[in-house]
Amino acid sequence: NFMLTQPHSVSESPGKTVTISCTGSSGSIASNYVQWYQQRPGSAPTTVIYEDSLRPSGVPDRFSGSIDSSSNSASLTISGLKTEDEADYYCQSYDSSNHVVFGGGTKLTVL
Amino acid sequence: QVQLQESGPGLVKPSETLSLTCTVSGGSVSSGSYYWSWIRQPPGKGLEWIGYVYSSGSINYNPSLKSRVTISVDTSKNQFSLKLSSVTAADTAVYYCARDSMAYFDYWGQGTLVTVSS
Repeated sequence: NFMLTQPHSVSESPGKTVTISCTGSSGSIASNYVQWYQQRPGSAPTTVIYEDSLRPSGVPDRFSGSIDSSSNSASLTISGLKTEDEADYYCQSYDSSNHVVFGGGTKLTVL
Repeated sequence: QVQLQESGPGLVKPSETLSLTCTVSGGSVSSGSYYWSWIRQPPGKGLEWIGYVYSSGSINYNPSLKSRVTISVDTSKNQFSLKLSSVTAADTAVYYCARDSMAYFDYWGQGTLVTVSS
């Protein structure tokens, strides 16, 4: 089964830059697009990155996404961290049968 | 503005069937451009995709739940539904309905907590 692995938690200070990784278990992560969702406590997730590196309207350009085929991983980078960025972040992609697969989620603490 | 709203019982007994409905407003489930999806999140845990239905009625389910899941669409009511049979405590979760634009989940319901308990 295709799986996406994320670190359980990351932390960084306001104004700094943080990167969250998402590693595919098999095959090439570049074979299917990767999306990133932000979820604040008690709320539904919202999209911050889709199709590896695109931002929906309204998402600040402090959020960026990329793919590294050499490590079979995707990354979400948030620059100029703000306290409001503190949330859980989930990567999402597809397996070979077009089933949706989510990573386990990463808790971002901005301290 | 597209809105999705989940509805259904908040408490289900073990071995029974969980049934939820998602009502869509501001958009049509008949649109051929979207997958209408269910996603769940156990308390304190991550997101799990359950499956989706296309406007034509074609479906795609999470293999780990496939034997217990039915997702259907009712175009006359602009709704889609989830049925999960033989539930156990492990099925306790917040259940979200969401629209998949075929690029990303662009609209989500607020989520509804379903507890499995006798």
